[in-house]
Amino acid sequence: EAQVTQNPRYLITVTGKKLTVTCSQNMNHEYMSWYRQDPGLGLRQIYYSMNVEVTDKGDVPEGYKVSRKEKRNFPLILESPSPNQTSLYFCASSLSGPRGDEQFFGPGTRLTVL
Amino acid sequence: GQQLNQSPQSMFIQEGEDVSMNCTSSSIFNTWLWYKQEPGEGPVLLIALYKAGELTSNGRLTAQFGITRKDSFLNISASIPSDVGIYFCAGQLLTDSWGKLQFGAGTQVVVTP
Repeated sequence: EAQVTQNPRYLITVTGKKLTVTCSQNMNHEYMSWYRQDPGLGLRQIYYSMNVEVTDKGDVPEGYKVSRKEKRNFPLILESPSPNQTSLYFCASSLSGPRGDEQFFGPGTRLTVL
Repeated sequence: GQQLNQSPQSMFIQEGEDVSMNCTSSSIFNTWLWYKQEPGEGPVLLIALYKAGELTSNGRLTAQFGITRKDSFLNISASIPSDVGIYFCAGQLLTDSWGKLQFGAGTQVVVTP
């Protein structure tokens, strides 16, 4: 089954404790992206990757890091989480480029930073 | 930053009623997209629109690409309980490598029996 998976689905952590949210896709997609979703703001892009070893900032990259060492994986790293990073996070992928009509979204990771 | 204004923010409707929502922008887009997000899930594409004036249906859903290319509308006819969810519009400016998606804030739809 073609899918984007994220882990963990739920996470409660404390300020300053480094964490990683994993994202994996099994569709051989080149493009992957991370979004955060906050009430009243919709989805905002954090980082994206056009292909292996190619990453770039989205609209709200501060406080986040990403890496793209393999085509299928695109982890999101919070080196020192803060309460304002409490949010619902989505990973997405598409075959080539950020085509909205081809983009598959993962199920989401709900993060709470205390 | 976000440039799409989506309204209404929420709708509480009775089963069988029609639902309308819209999205407006200060920017011109080449593509308009409508997604639905159910609780605990990621957004799923409902309808994609590629031409100004285009009217496209997907079952009971109908969406239109505004003539000015700055707005789009989604209608749901004869709503049923499974229509519950958050509906997002998204605009995309088509370039050689496809431009970034910009999302509206979403419309929460609640359907009561």
